[in-house]
Amino acid sequence: EAGVAQSPRYKIIEKRQSVAFWCNPISGHATLYWYQQILGQGPKLLIQFQNNGVVDDSQLPKDRFSAERLKGVDSTLKIQPAKLEDSAVYLCASSLGFSGGSYEQYFGPGTRLTVT
Amino acid sequence: SQKIEQNSEALNIQEGKTATLTCNYTNYSPAYLQWYRQDPGRGPVFLLLIRENEKEKRKERLKVTFDTTLKQSLFHITASQPADSATYLCALGKGSMDTGRRALTFGSGTRLQVQP
Repeated sequence: EAGVAQSPRYKIIEKRQSVAFWCNPISGHATLYWYQQILGQGPKLLIQFQNNGVVDDSQLPKDRFSAERLKGVDSTLKIQPAKLEDSAVYLCASSLGFSGGSYEQYFGPGTRLTVT
Repeated sequence: SQKIEQNSEALNIQEGKTATLTCNYTNYSPAYLQWYRQDPGRGPVFLLLIRENEKEKRKERLKVTFDTTLKQSLFHITASQPADSATYLCALGKGSMDTGRRALTFGSGTRLQVQP
């Protein structure tokens, strides 16, 4: 079974520029998450999708971050404009929806963003 | 505010010994608790889940305990091996069957180093 795919793996941009990250979850996983992991900290949830609907985006800085999950499969996370404090690893994870009864999340390798 | 504490200092042990990692939390009533392993440059990998009504869970050389009175979980690795060296994250979850939310709040992790 293929895992969660993310691209790019690394990205370096200057502050005030825009950047987009892509995620392809495990086939059949209805729930998709985006996390931000700052060096030395645990992942922090940014947004959770159930199929193509948003379940939780309470910690997403909506003035600069946006995310979409068209057709309930792939997802894109965008930052516009980027700030220095956005430097982090952005992790995508997926899990079976609540109908599947599974609570465990499967993570992709992450995208390391450096804002200079 | 909710707080999850894991020992920020690295845990160094000798091969063959039992490693014990601690996760303490405050101002939180989790429905379940998960432990993940994270290697450098990779996303977290799910290890074990324990529910609020369970005291102990085992999987091969891994054991997790969950004390909701003490608000603490202990994670044990018996007969530790150098390959067990990694950062271990605990994550508290509040499941909601109605909304499908699977919100996880992660601790900062403890780095385990197993010396040969």
